[in-house]
Amino acid sequence: EIVLTQSPGTLSLSPGERATLSCRASQSVSSSYLAWYQQKPGQAPRLLIYGASSRATGIPDRFSGSGSGTDFTLSISRLEPEDFAVYFCQQYGSSPLAFGGGTKVEIK
Amino acid sequence: EVQLLESGGGLVQPGGSLRLSCAASAFTFSSYAMSWVRQAPGRGLEWVSAISGSGTITYYADSVKGRFTISRDNSKNTLYLQMNSLRAEDTALYYCAKVLRTTVTTRDAFDIWGQGTMVTVSS
Repeated sequence: EIVLTQSPGTLSLSPGERATLSCRASQSVSSSYLAWYQQKPGQAPRLLIYGASSRATGIPDRFSGSGSGTDFTLSISRLEPEDFAVYFCQQYGSSPLAFGGGTKVEIK
Repeated sequence: EVQLLESGGGLVQPGGSLRLSCAASAFTFSSYAMSWVRQAPGRGLEWVSAISGSGTITYYADSVKGRFTISRDNSKNTLYLQMNSLRAEDTALYYCAKVLRTTVTTRDAFDIWGQGTMVTVSS
């Protein structure tokens, strides 16, 4: 069973700054089957990135994903006000599917 | 617009049962695997169960195996989750989610989520 650890737990940044979120897996994630989601209060998660680096439909290019094996990163190049939210990573390369504990990006 | 709408949540006593439904619209439901994912209040996401597009293959998290049953009726474009022997730790918002690609059996990223239905297990 793969366990995903996200860091930091909370990231305090200002609009316009760059955000870098980490997701580390306890074992290698098969075929880079790693996704990132954004969740705002009272809303369902929204798919941002799949296959570690492919942006989902309609996702702005300020969001980018990278990594392979056990280390993955979500970067937001310039934070917009609507980007302050919680971000989760998910591996879907092996069963059981697993989510990380989340990183909250808050306004500094 | 592609949409998922969950229903069936509510308050139930420990040991009780509930059946959740998820009505799908605006996509070829039978072509896509589906999953249930839950989120306890103020907590992270936990995958619960998955089912293939045909309904012949199912998977469960260890935490619900033997108590929950996932199924689907492709003629009604509806996904179900039968939950028995409910425990306090099953209290959560339950989302249904559609996989991204038609080519996978069950495991994939989730591109469409419903708004969730709340299940509260308490005496």
